[in-house]
Amino acid sequence: DAGVTQSPTHLIKTRGQQVTLRCSPKSGHDTVSWYQQALGQGPQFIFQYYEEEERQRGNFPDRFSGHQFPNYSSELNVNALLLGDSALYLCASSWGLASTYEQYFGPGTRLTVT
Amino acid sequence: AQSVTQPDIHITVSEGASLELRCNYSYGATPYLFWYVQSPGQGLQLLLKYFSGDTLVQGIKGFEAEFKRSQSSFNLRKPSVHWSDAAEYFCAVGGGATNKLIFGTGTLLAVQP
Repeated sequence: DAGVTQSPTHLIKTRGQQVTLRCSPKSGHDTVSWYQQALGQGPQFIFQYYEEEERQRGNFPDRFSGHQFPNYSSELNVNALLLGDSALYLCASSWGLASTYEQYFGPGTRLTVT
Repeated sequence: AQSVTQPDIHITVSEGASLELRCNYSYGATPYLFWYVQSPGQGLQLLLKYFSGDTLVQGIKGFEAEFKRSQSSFNLRKPSVHWSDAAEYFCAVGGGATNKLIFGTGTLLAVQP
């Protein structure tokens, strides 16, 4: 049983560009959350998708957007990249939204903005 | 405001010694508390969680944590550390309508032979 997978593993972008990160949830999971982990910091919640809708959003600008597909996979899009967007982006999946449902994390995508 | 504080940025212990990592939280409602471990190049792995009931919870890899409501703390402990425990440890709090998590800044554990 594959766990949460993310692609690509690493990527380098230039300021002002746009990037798309992808996540496939663990088998049987229907909820995907995205977190940003800057160097030396803990993960910060970006947003969460369930039934193809954004259900909750953290304190991130509109440059950060997402999508969930009918097969529950998800994309994170970041427009007009800033140097400060350089971070590890983590995807987590769970079976449902409830607080008691454990989240399983993927290995992350390391984004470097130059 | 909801937050998690991990006062120790970096801790070094000798192999075989005991370990305690501190975590304090601020949360308006009944908190659900978690400890995760992150090894280099890896995602976060759940060590243990507390929702309710017995305030001493057991996790994987020989870890345990104690919830103390009066101190708003959820400290992680292990009686005897192994070299493979070297990693970064994150405390997180959740609850409410969804399973969104608020993480602390982490504690980096080094293990000396």
